[in-house]
Amino acid sequence: EVVMTQSPATLSVSPGERVTLSCRANESVVNNVAWYQKKPGQAPRQVIYATSMTATGFPARFRGGGFGTDFTLTISSLQPEDFAVYYCQQYRDWPRALTFGGGTKVE
Amino acid sequence: QLRLQESGPGLVKASETLSLTCTVSGGSVSIEDYYWGWIRQSPGRGLEWIGSVYYTGAAYYNSSLESRVTISIDTSKDQFSLRLTSLTAADTAVYWCVRLRGGADYWGQGTLVSVYS
Repeated sequence: EVVMTQSPATLSVSPGERVTLSCRANESVVNNVAWYQKKPGQAPRQVIYATSMTATGFPARFRGGGFGTDFTLTISSLQPEDFAVYYCQQYRDWPRALTFGGGTKVE
Repeated sequence: QLRLQESGPGLVKASETLSLTCTVSGGSVSIEDYYWGWIRQSPGRGLEWIGSVYYTGAAYYNSSLESRVTISIDTSKDQFSLRLTSLTAADTAVYWCVRLRGGADYWGQGTLVSVYS
């Protein structure tokens, strides 16, 4: 099973700061990575798919990158509405398997 | 606008079977390239993929749940369903139905399922 490890678990930042979240796979997943934003009481929302494609409804300050085993989600200038938990997900073997990282809380 | 809506019991007894249904509106489940699936989150835990189904009925499951899970689809009603047997407290979670093409681009609002003994 592909294991996704996110770091750090919690990131304490201020509005306006640049934030970079990391996600590492224990084996190559090529570019089959998505990122989600999760706020309390809400369903997760897809932020990024295919490593670097920004999902509908998310502004350009959200950027995804990486390849193989190391991936990042960068928020160029954190806005108040961006405070949330972010999850990475790999889908290299989709539809047979999907796995999520443990999440990074941006507070 | 595509909408997904979960329905089913919020409280289920341990050892029994959970059945949830997802109704899709604003679109059809009978589309190529997309799967329909279930994802859950237990209290204080991360996200867990349960399984996915194609409009043809082909289904894939998380290996850790495979022995207890069945996901089916009814294209005539634009619905798909989750059946999870032999429930334990560890199955207490918010369950979401989703549309998947690798990543999940549409989510239902989620339904909290509590398992009691």
